[in-house]
Amino acid sequence: QVQLVQSGAEVKKPGASVKVSCKASGYTFTSHYIHWVRQAPGQGLEWVGMINPSGGYTSNAQKFQGRVTVTRDTSSTTVYMELTSLRSEDTALYYCARQVDTGLVGLDSWGQGTLVTVST
Amino acid sequence: SYVLPQPPSVSVAPGQTARITCGGNNIGSKSVFWYQQRPGQAPVLVVYDDSDRPSGIPERFSASNSGNTATLTISRVEAGDEADYYCQVWDNGMIFGGGTKLTVL
Repeated sequence: QVQLVQSGAEVKKPGASVKVSCKASGYTFTSHYIHWVRQAPGQGLEWVGMINPSGGYTSNAQKFQGRVTVTRDTSSTTVYMELTSLRSEDTALYYCARQVDTGLVGLDSWGQGTLVTVST
Repeated sequence: SYVLPQPPSVSVAPGQTARITCGGNNIGSKSVFWYQQRPGQAPVLVVYDDSDRPSGIPERFSASNSGNTATLTISRVEAGDEADYYCQVWDNGMIFGGGTKLTVL
């Protein structure tokens, strides 16, 4: 079965960086884009960015341009999301999720979420 | 940027039908996805490509999309359906609605 397992919770100071991992299993890693979506406490869902594990193509939300980098390691079937220059507003649960299909840009499997807390 | 307004809350008695709307300029021309998120859990895809259900999602969940409104319909509502529901489209990026809290009375 499809599984996306994320790394553990992180606590960072403002201005620092965080790198969250997402290990995929149970399907052909290069056949589905992986997206990152975040959810601030008590708030809705917000798209962060995505990667095509096959060729490495990435796209990020305009809001995070210059601060977020999504990468992948095909040998370990793991996707990474790095967010720099952290501020308190970045405190959120970060999810990785698998895209349904090349032509269907929805998310059919989700990781368990990684809580990133930015605090002095 | 593209916006997907959703009602903040919908309440329905058990056994009744809940309808959750998702607005958007000419949303009928886009593929709409719906997610259910129970408290403390990751979202779950309940409808994809406007009206298709992933395997394992009950037939009680149906959806439509036309004009400027997409609608998720939950028939014979059960207590376990109480959750937040989000619509989503792709428009130069992934766009989510603000979410609707479904309360089962």
